[in-house]
Amino acid sequence: ETGVTQSPTHLIKTRGQQVTLRCSSQSGHNTVSWYQQALGQGPQFIFQYYREEENGRGNFPPRFSGLQFPNYSSELNVNALELDDSALYLCASSFSLSNLRWSTDTQYFGPGTRLTVL
Amino acid sequence: AQSVTQLDSHVSVSEGTPVLLRCNYSSSYSPSLFWYVQHPNKGLQLLLKYTSAATLVKGINGFEAEFKKSETSFHLTKPSAHMSDAAEYFCVVSGWGGKLIFGQGTELSVKP
Repeated sequence: ETGVTQSPTHLIKTRGQQVTLRCSSQSGHNTVSWYQQALGQGPQFIFQYYREEENGRGNFPPRFSGLQFPNYSSELNVNALELDDSALYLCASSFSLSNLRWSTDTQYFGPGTRLTVL
Repeated sequence: AQSVTQLDSHVSVSEGTPVLLRCNYSSSYSPSLFWYVQHPNKGLQLLLKYTSAATLVKGINGFEAEFKKSETSFHLTKPSAHMSDAAEYFCVVSGWGGKLIFGQGTELSVKP
């Protein structure tokens, strides 16, 4: 069974640029969630996709956007990068029976992408 | 609204002694609660999960946690610390819209 994978491992961008991060979910999972973890902080929820549709969103601006593909892999796109976007970006996958707004599904995390914005 | 408070930002123990990492939660609904561990430069690994089936939850690597509704607590314990337990530990509560809400983390140091 393949776990959650993310690419790239590390990325350096400059302020104002755009970035795309990728995530392959664990085999059998249909839901992907993205989190931002700033240095010394706990992860913060960005959004979740269930069967290619956004199922929930945290307190992040619209320049953070995402996609989920038919194979349940996912992308996180960030436009107009700011210095404060420097963080570890974590993807998590889970299996959900429905897009219930209140879910107790276990999320399994990938190793993350370290983004540095200069 | 849901929230999590980890009461200690750093805990230091000696190898072979017990570990206690404290967590209090707030939830408007019956929560699912989790403990995750993060080793340096690694992703998050699930230690254990509570979903109302039993108040004492056993996890991997000898860890366990007890759900106490009256105290709104979900403390993580281990009888005997090992050097490999040194890591960052996060207490997590399930939230609306599929999100997980993380505490600020507790860094566990294990001295030889």
